[in-house]
Amino acid sequence: KAGVTQTPRYLIKTRGQQVTLSCSPISGHRSVSWYQQTPGQGLQFLFEYFSETQRNKGNFPGRFSGRQFSNSRSEMNVSTLELGDSALYLCASSLEPQGARSYTFGSGTRLTVV
Amino acid sequence: DAKTTQPPSMDCAEGRAANLPCNHSTISGNEYVYWYRQIHSQGPQYIIHGLKNNETNEMASLIITEDRKSSTLILPHATLRDTAVYYCIGNNAGNMLTFGGGTRLMVKP
Repeated sequence: KAGVTQTPRYLIKTRGQQVTLSCSPISGHRSVSWYQQTPGQGLQFLFEYFSETQRNKGNFPGRFSGRQFSNSRSEMNVSTLELGDSALYLCASSLEPQGARSYTFGSGTRLTVV
Repeated sequence: DAKTTQPPSMDCAEGRAANLPCNHSTISGNEYVYWYRQIHSQGPQYIIHGLKNNETNEMASLIITEDRKSSTLILPHATLRDTAVYYCIGNNAGNMLTFGGGTRLMVKP
């Protein structure tokens, strides 16, 4: 079966712009979580969606937002990009919000802010 | 999630067992120990998890001490493709995983 699909794979944006990243979970998975990975901070939790509702949010500024659609696909948006937002953004899906036992990660979107 | 401590890096000879330690002395009674790995330029991949008993699957074995304060992930016959960063996570079924720095395992020919 198809895995978690993240698009685009690579993205270059300019400071001050905004960006939208997309995540299509494994068919039948209803929970989607987003993580940011940087060399300095490692993997950090951004937010989690289940049945179109945000269940948890990590410690990130309001410039980071997300949503989930009725087909479980999710998008995350970063507004007013800063150089420090350059990172690998990873999406993980699971059937239910059951935690680490059922996560499948995508390959990520690598965002570079210049 | 429990705070975990892992050595930053380890080397292992190809074909030998790789034993990756993890300290999780603050783990609570309902938190499982999970292991994930991340191969360069890919998302993390689930390996194995356990609560109290030792566990084994097709990828690895997990040995958890009786006091649950530490565990060891064992890759019985490491190959070059096992070169990755290995993360040990304590989790109680919430989806907000806390990844530490992990251990960078280098398998050498």
